[in-house]
Amino acid sequence: AQRVTQPEKLLSVFKGAPVELKCNYSYSGSPELFWYVQYSRQRLQLLLRHISRESIKGFTADLNKGETSFHLKKPFAQEEDSAMYYCALKGRNNRLAFGKGNQVVVIP
Amino acid sequence: DAGVTQSPTHLIKTRGQHVTLRCSPISGHKSVSWYQQVLGQGPQFIFQYYEKEERGRGNFPDRFSARQFPNYSSELNVNALLLGDSALYLCASSSGQPTDTQYFGPGTRLTVL
Repeated sequence: AQRVTQPEKLLSVFKGAPVELKCNYSYSGSPELFWYVQYSRQRLQLLLRHISRESIKGFTADLNKGETSFHLKKPFAQEEDSAMYYCALKGRNNRLAFGKGNQVVVIP
Repeated sequence: DAGVTQSPTHLIKTRGQHVTLRCSPISGHKSVSWYQQVLGQGPQFIFQYYEKEERGRGNFPDRFSARQFPNYSSELNVNALLLGDSALYLCASSSGQPTDTQYFGPGTRLTVL
């Protein structure tokens, strides 16, 4: 079974402060991990994926297979980072399993 | 390219009715997946189609069905609607390759009264 856990529902941070969104997963094989973001009134869009190992909009995420985690981090939050963030896992069956999401609010 | 498109945008139905939701994938994409997103939850997988064949089905009752057409567009059908079917229904398209990315449409907001 594929399971993704995002423990914190709402995260409020001040502009310029670091942001870390936690994601833990459960999967017996080698998963592919993603972070999707949904800005207000926009569609769900891919933020980054672990196989790309790149930084998008200042965000990074490292897959830790030992801790089964894929936490999302950004050193300095910006107001435009306010959004819903979803961690997702894709297994051998090619379907995405999502966490419940994190609402991030960046306070000016 | 307009990206993934879905119709209608909003829909209101009553219990017991049926509904058909439509999705057009990105040009060149051969795979379509459907997800249900209940308020306050992440999207939950319903179906995946590739080249008109069902590739996967999530834990949903038989009231839910789908199909994919030769032009790769897709329909999701839900019969005997229940109040609990009220949700945002998302369609995602991809190339169908193992390492591909799924691109989401704007969704159809279904309200069952």
